[in-house]
Amino acid sequence: EVQLVESGGGLVQPGRSLRLSCAASGFIFDYYALHWVRQAPGKGLEWVSGISWNSGSIGYAESVKGRFTISRDNAKNSLHLQMSGLTVEDTALYYCVRAAVGDGVDVWGQGTAVTVSS
Amino acid sequence: QLVLTQSPSASAPLGASVKLTCTLSSGHITYAIAWHQQQPEKGPRFLMNVRSDGSHNKGDGIPDRFSGSSSGTDRYLTISSLQSEDEADYYCQTWDTGIHVVFGGGTKVTVL
Repeated sequence: EVQLVESGGGLVQPGRSLRLSCAASGFIFDYYALHWVRQAPGKGLEWVSGISWNSGSIGYAESVKGRFTISRDNAKNSLHLQMSGLTVEDTALYYCVRAAVGDGVDVWGQGTAVTVSS
Repeated sequence: QLVLTQSPSASAPLGASVKLTCTLSSGHITYAIAWHQQQPEKGPRFLMNVRSDGSHNKGDGIPDRFSGSSSGTDRYLTISSLQSEDEADYYCQTWDTGIHVVFGGGTKVTVL
């Protein structure tokens, strides 16, 4: 079974850091690009960051550029998002998602909640 | 700039059909999109990819009453024989050169 399982969310104070992780299983990990997508309470889906299969191409939404860093470890089938300088606007459910080359997102994790509050 | 536009809401009676539209910004007429469904209090799930020629491929277990089509810069999701469990938010999504992903604002479907 294809699975993406996020972890690392929690309650954090503004300005602090947090590291999210995503463990993948059930598919050939390094065939796919991976992304982080978030959803603030009551809002729509927002792309946060993405990384190609070999980490050769990386992108960030303007809202997180310079504060978040995406990385992957193909040997461990894992994806990470290092978040720093967190603000209340970063409060959201963060999803790890998979995308095939030339295709859209086709697998979603269950999400991990990040709450930024003092 | 790559932008996806969706109507905020749509509704139809139980058992009827509803057709959702996702419009690509001009200059992006050849782009494919993906449709995702998010039922209340659940995470999103992939429904299908829809290409500019109207061809589409669905995710595992997606019922036949979900179908996709295309015309110009519009990409459609048609839900036939609406069921109560189809009441959900529907998002279209596409991808740009490099590694950027774009989502539409979502359409809330209400089953009357």
